[in-house]
Amino acid sequence: GQNIDQPTEMTATEGAIVQINCTYQTSGFNGLFWYQQHAGEAPTFLSYNVLDGLEEKGRFSSFLSRSKGYSYLLLKELQMKDSASYLCAVMDSNYQLIWGAGTKLIIKP
Amino acid sequence: ETGVTQTPRHLVMGMTNKKSLKCEQHLGHNAMYWYKQSAKKPLELMFVYSLEERVENNSVPSRFSPECPNSSHLFLHLHTLQPEDSALYLCASSQETGGSGANVLTFGAGSRLTVL
Repeated sequence: GQNIDQPTEMTATEGAIVQINCTYQTSGFNGLFWYQQHAGEAPTFLSYNVLDGLEEKGRFSSFLSRSKGYSYLLLKELQMKDSASYLCAVMDSNYQLIWGAGTKLIIKP
Repeated sequence: ETGVTQTPRHLVMGMTNKKSLKCEQHLGHNAMYWYKQSAKKPLELMFVYSLEERVENNSVPSRFSPECPNSSHLFLHLHTLQPEDSALYLCASSQETGGSGANVLTFGAGSRLTVL
């Protein structure tokens, strides 16, 4: 079967750095997405990786290793507003999105 | 208005009621989706429409009935629901279905459904 694993919950301190991991086993691979979802709000697109390596967008970076079936989302200079759930999703060979259960990130002052 | 708008934001219904969820997108996208989001579970794809035609139905019980009258509007008609159907129902749109791996979804804020 197809599976996406990510930690259920993480806690970090304001101003620090946090890395949220995502591992996947899917039938084929056509890219990996990260979405952010604040409580009671819509998920919003953060990043898309289809080639190995690091993609940087301001304070957020996303890394992909296709050979290891592994990605991470790196958040730097954490702010209280970064408290949210982070959803990892992989597009398989049929262009279907396979979703993880999400990681709830709690930022403490 | 811009983006994807869902109404109502909250809905409480009994198991014998009939209600509908509405979604509207103002992005000119060709594809629209219904997802179910339950606590600590992955998003479950329910229905996909492309250019107003249903292209996917992921074995959803018949008590959920979608309707897509045009490319901007999507409805989810609900009848004879069960308590386990209580969840957040998210609508999303994208430029197209499948094809490009960079096909980003734009989500609405969801309709929180409680079935008593």
